[in-house]
This record gives sequence, C-alpha cells and structure tokens, in this order.
Amino acid sequence: SQQGEEDPQALSIQEGENATMNCSYKTSINNLQWYRQNSGRGLVHLILIRSNEREKHSGRLRVTLDTSKKSSSLLITASRAADTASYFCATAETLNDMRFGAGTRLTVKP
Amino acid sequence: DSGVTQTPKHLITATGQRVTLRCSPRSGDLSVYWYQQSLDQGLQFLIQYYNGEERAKGNILERFSAQQFPDLHSELNLSSLELGDSALYFCASSVDPGDYGYTFGSGTRLTVV
Repeated sequence: SQQGEEDPQALSIQEGENATMNCSYKTSINNLQWYRQNSGRGLVHLILIRSNEREKHSGRLRVTLDTSKKSSSLLITASRAADTASYFCATAETLNDMRFGAGTRLTVKP
Repeated sequence: DSGVTQTPKHLITATGQRVTLRCSPRSGDLSVYWYQQSLDQGLQFLIQYYNGEERAKGNILERFSAQQFPDLHSELNLSSLELGDSALYFCASSVDPGDYGYTFGSGTRLTVV
C-alpha cells in the first residue's frame, strides 16, 4: 500500500518557471524523501528531510515538511527541459520499508 | 551508473513460467530492497533483506520469493507467472536509509505473454 500521495498528478510548465509538487502522508514518519524518475529508468534520490526539520535546500530544490499537516512540498526553481520526469515522495515509519506515492509527472516545455 | 546492477534488463516469458531476477547492490551496502512498478499499482514495496536476513515484507505475493546471498547479491524469484505480473522490477540498496536514502538499479522489465 502506498504511504505518500503526490499532488498534482501531472504538471506542465515553461522552461524557467518554478514547479511545486506536494505530498501528503498518513502515519508518523522517520524522514521523507523525494526521488526523480526519468521514463522507464531507475529512481534517483534527490533530497531527504528528517521529521525534525522544516526546510531543506539542495541546488535548485527546496523541500518543506509540515509534520502537523502530514505534508511536504518540493519546489524546483528555474526549471529546465531536463527536469522533465516523474517525482515521487517516499516515507517510512521505520527505515525498512519505504513507501512511495503515485508520483507527479512534470513536463517542462522548452 | 548508480552502482546497483540488475540483470537481465528485459525478460519476456509465458504465463505459468518461473523467472529469476538478479541484483548486485552498491559496494558496501548491506540492505537490498525489491520494488514492483506497474501502471495501475504504482511503485509497490515487495521485500527487504539486510546482510542475508529478511527484514521487512510488503505486498509480495506467495508466488514470489527472494533471498540475499553471503556476497550480498539478491535474487527475486517469480513463479506461476500471470499476465498481471508484467511490470518493472527494481532493486535498491542502501548503507543508511535514514541519512542517504536508497540507490536504485535501472530495473528489469518483465513482460508475461
């Protein structure tokens, strides 16, 4: 069963714009992670935020976590065509069975 | 190259058959995780092994089994295959998922005909 749910399911923007994706989850978590998947390829780990952190940055990525609302958001600034991919949030109560949401499919038009 | 190696990359087989998918984790990673990704079910956690022992079980069917060997490579065995088993099967490994997350392989695409 999936733990996280991403929103929106699909997002289409122009190059240079910002992209925001949201993730909601149901149970308590140890940490929340975001991954990217290019079509038919393996998932690539982007960023991890611990349950006691509220915001984290990595390059053009900004992740926020609100444990009271059980939600997280991923912001990609100044998007590029190469950012076109599916983005997944993943959560785990323990660290042994990470559960992934259905993903947000991001299309960045050049 | 992520460092996690999965073979074969593609597999086509008939219903009722049995196949074995292989995964070599990244050097130094003791944990191996198996996931199934299909269009209708998304990415489903199947099973996790840590240093040869089963640690967690997810939505793994009884027709499926896995093991991790002393050299830390892992195999996922799928038997009595059905059309609905057609999917991408991913292996991931980690040294410390609490700090570094998972490293995924490029997957095995299984097609059951």
